[in-house]
Amino acid sequence: KAGVTQTPRYLIKTRGQQVTLSCSPISGHRSVSWYQQTPGQGLQFLFEYFSETQRNKGNFPGRFSGRQFSNSRSEMNVSTLELGDSALYLCASQTSGRGNEQFFGPGTRLTVL
Amino acid sequence: GENVEQHPSTLSVQEGDSAVIKCTYSDSASNYFPWYKQELGKGSQLIIDIRSNVGEKKDQRIAVTLNKTAKHFSLHITETQPEDSAVYFCAASRGGGNKLTFGTGTQLKVEL
Repeated sequence: KAGVTQTPRYLIKTRGQQVTLSCSPISGHRSVSWYQQTPGQGLQFLFEYFSETQRNKGNFPGRFSGRQFSNSRSEMNVSTLELGDSALYLCASQTSGRGNEQFFGPGTRLTVL
Repeated sequence: GENVEQHPSTLSVQEGDSAVIKCTYSDSASNYFPWYKQELGKGSQLIIDIRSNVGEKKDQRIAVTLNKTAKHFSLHITETQPEDSAVYFCAASRGGGNKLTFGTGTQLKVEL
């Protein structure tokens, strides 16, 4: 099986712009979670989608949003980018069961100038 | 919410020695504790996990122990090899959801 894929791998934006990141989960996996990784805050949970519905949400502002499509692919969007949004954004997929292993993608490195 | 602390932040060992990384969690309802290895360009891979109904789990050179009373769990790597050099993250989650709360990571360096 192919692993979790994320596109793009690298992205450079300027403050005030918006960005959309994409994640394709492992075939058959219906849950996709998003995490932000920064040197200062570590890995922080953004949100989780399951069957096109947001099932869990972390403590991020409303500028961070996501969605999931019927084929389980997910996108996350960040509007009005700030310098502090520079981070590695990771998505993880897992089967429908709760508390099962999450498989991480390689991440998208976002730099905000 | 859950809070996970991880120590040490960096760890250097000689090849062949053992390495131990420790994590504590705050939410007594957490019942799933995975460990991830993160290497540059390779993403994060689950190396071992443990659920709250067991106290120890082993997989070849890797083992994890869990003390529910003290709310801490540890990763043990024996006979370390250079390819074990990476950043290791512990995490915790409740059974009711898939939200993982991560520790701050440990940079492990195995020296020849």
